[in-house]
Amino acid sequence: NAGVTQTPKFRVLKTGQSMTLLCAQDMNHEYMYWYRQDPGMGLRLIHYSVGEGTTAKGEVPDGYNVSRLKKQNFLLGLESAAPSQTSVYFCASSLVRREGYTFGSGTRLTVV
Amino acid sequence: TQLLEQSPQFLSIQEGENLTVYCNSSSVFSSLQWYRQEPGEGPVLLVTVVTGGEVKKLKRLTFQFGDARKDSSLHITAAQPGDTGLYLCAGAGTGGFKTIFGAGTRLFVKA
Repeated sequence: NAGVTQTPKFRVLKTGQSMTLLCAQDMNHEYMYWYRQDPGMGLRLIHYSVGEGTTAKGEVPDGYNVSRLKKQNFLLGLESAAPSQTSVYFCASSLVRREGYTFGSGTRLTVV
Repeated sequence: TQLLEQSPQFLSIQEGENLTVYCNSSSVFSSLQWYRQEPGEGPVLLVTVVTGGEVKKLKRLTFQFGDARKDSSLHITAAQPGDTGLYLCAGAGTGGFKTIFGAGTRLFVKA
């Protein structure tokens, strides 16, 4: 089982560029999430989805957009990257919210 | 705003020692999870506790959920170098849709 797969693993962007991070899960989970992890701040929720075709804002949604056109995929977009978006991004999925998440291995994004 | 505070932030011990990591909040959670994260990887779920006072054991790791479901602890017996990593606790709120994460405890076990 692949679990949760994130691509790419590393990326460097110039300020103002755009990009899309792809997350794919093969566990038939309903819930999917995008988090960012910064030193000393823990994981912060950017956006989440409770099912195909649905998305909702998390704790730090500004500057990001998401789409969930297929149940197994959850895309995170940055329309105009800023240095403040330099971070490690994690996608996660869960069958039910209370039971914990399966995380991908992360994307390290640097915006210069 | 819900907060989960973990202590200590950093712990460096010798192989064979015991240790306890704490996760505290003023909020009540419907469940609480513990994860371990290694460098360059995503967090891996260790355990979920859902009942106040619940104790779960995973080999040398013992997890306890506080009676009031506001706090939790992770105790490691006879730590080994393989236990080295970042330990994260995460609490699922009783209302709405939000799981919050603590900032983590970075553990280093020296051989």
